[in-house]
Amino acid sequence: GESVGLHLPTLSVQEGDNSIINCAYSNSASDYFIWYKQESGKGPQFIIDIRSNMDKRQGQRVTVLLNKTVKHLSLQIAATQPGDSAVYFCAETGGPNYQLIWGAGTKLIIKP
Amino acid sequence: DAGVTQSPTHLIKTRGQQVTLRCSPISGHKSVSWYQQVLGQGPQFIFQYYEKEERGRGNFPDRFSARQFPNYSSELNVNALLLGDSALYLCASTLDSYKNIQYFGAGTRLSVL
Repeated sequence: GESVGLHLPTLSVQEGDNSIINCAYSNSASDYFIWYKQESGKGPQFIIDIRSNMDKRQGQRVTVLLNKTVKHLSLQIAATQPGDSAVYFCAETGGPNYQLIWGAGTKLIIKP
Repeated sequence: DAGVTQSPTHLIKTRGQQVTLRCSPISGHKSVSWYQQVLGQGPQFIFQYYEKEERGRGNFPDRFSARQFPNYSSELNVNALLLGDSALYLCASTLDSYKNIQYFGAGTRLSVL
């Protein structure tokens, strides 16, 4: 079936460095992608989104890159801070019944 | 402005019981979605409602049902609880179209013993 998956389950980054979290999707018809951040005990929090007619979108300290040729999505976090520690999910709307299809998540650990 | 609110925050039930979870969307949002999140995994889509109509249903058994009220709040009901229903149940609201940002509540942690 269609799925969205992540390459790395855990990512450790030095505080102040940039973080890159990757995501692969398999549904070539996917046309809208969202990155969420989920802290322990909380619901997912919207970070940034991108539509398939774009290759790149920037927010505050975050950038999302979309490569439709290889069906790959990445989230770049600049100058990673301790508050960035969380599990990051990519999600796609392109499945049936208007659902968000989620990957398993990548846990980002910030080293002091 | 208040975000998405869910109640209760935690719930403990035994096998075979029934449970009702509640969700109030962000003011002005007309669509509510429900997700189940098992520890260590991404959320799994259960239902989406828009203007009180079911817009989508995920791959969950008929023991799961939901409804949306005229004020756009929603309830998720699960009958005949199984141990495997233990999870975090998340509610998300969005303005109208499914290709819009979904904003999530903090969830209801359901434990089935």
